[in-house]
Amino acid sequence: QQPVQSPQAVILREGEDAVINCSSSKALYSVHWYRQKHGEAPVFLMILLKGGEQKGHEKISASFNEKKQQSSLYLTASQLSYSGTYFCGTETPDSWGKLQFGAGTQVVVTP
Amino acid sequence: DAGVTQSPTHLIKTRGQQVTLRCSPKSGHDTVSWYQQALGQGPQFIFQYYEEEERQRGNFPDRFSGHQFPNYSSELNVNALLLGDSALYLCASSYRLADNTGELFFGEGSRLTVL
Repeated sequence: QQPVQSPQAVILREGEDAVINCSSSKALYSVHWYRQKHGEAPVFLMILLKGGEQKGHEKISASFNEKKQQSSLYLTASQLSYSGTYFCGTETPDSWGKLQFGAGTQVVVTP
Repeated sequence: DAGVTQSPTHLIKTRGQQVTLRCSPKSGHDTVSWYQQALGQGPQFIFQYYEEEERQRGNFPDRFSGHQFPNYSSELNVNALLLGDSALYLCASSYRLADNTGELFFGEGSRLTVL
């Protein structure tokens, strides 16, 4: 089952903050976040694992509420380079390796 | 260090034909996952290969099949093409971890158009 993302789109000015949400109807083991710029491949941002472990490359923070089966990605002090479509991907405990992505949230950061 | 490479980048087929897409994983990676991405949508999981076996499969018909070779490269085959198979097909490689997918490295994709 695919996770559900909200909002579908958000427009920000440089320096503003935004939150992207990802929710699942199933218990989750891990949540993954990727960003895809137009015409490019998705790029890894972060993994959040059940139990609290996090692994990420960029200065983007996220949270994982295991009880609510939800994750949120926080875009703080947004930069023009943050523009793109953000996808959350989820794995359940009984099907790891089967990373299923949501429909995406389009983020546009303007000067 | 070459990343994930896919071929061909673009191709056009007609309904009923068959297509083979190819993927070479990033050096050091042993696992390959295939995704279908329709325009404006998120990537849809097709299947994952590890040790030359299909380990996980998404909700795709048997017309979609794959293979992984001893050098970890992979192929995606689609038979009896339908108009709805038109999409960007993404290959993603990773290093197999004990309990989660880990970081995926995506290729640029193969854009398939079915007429």
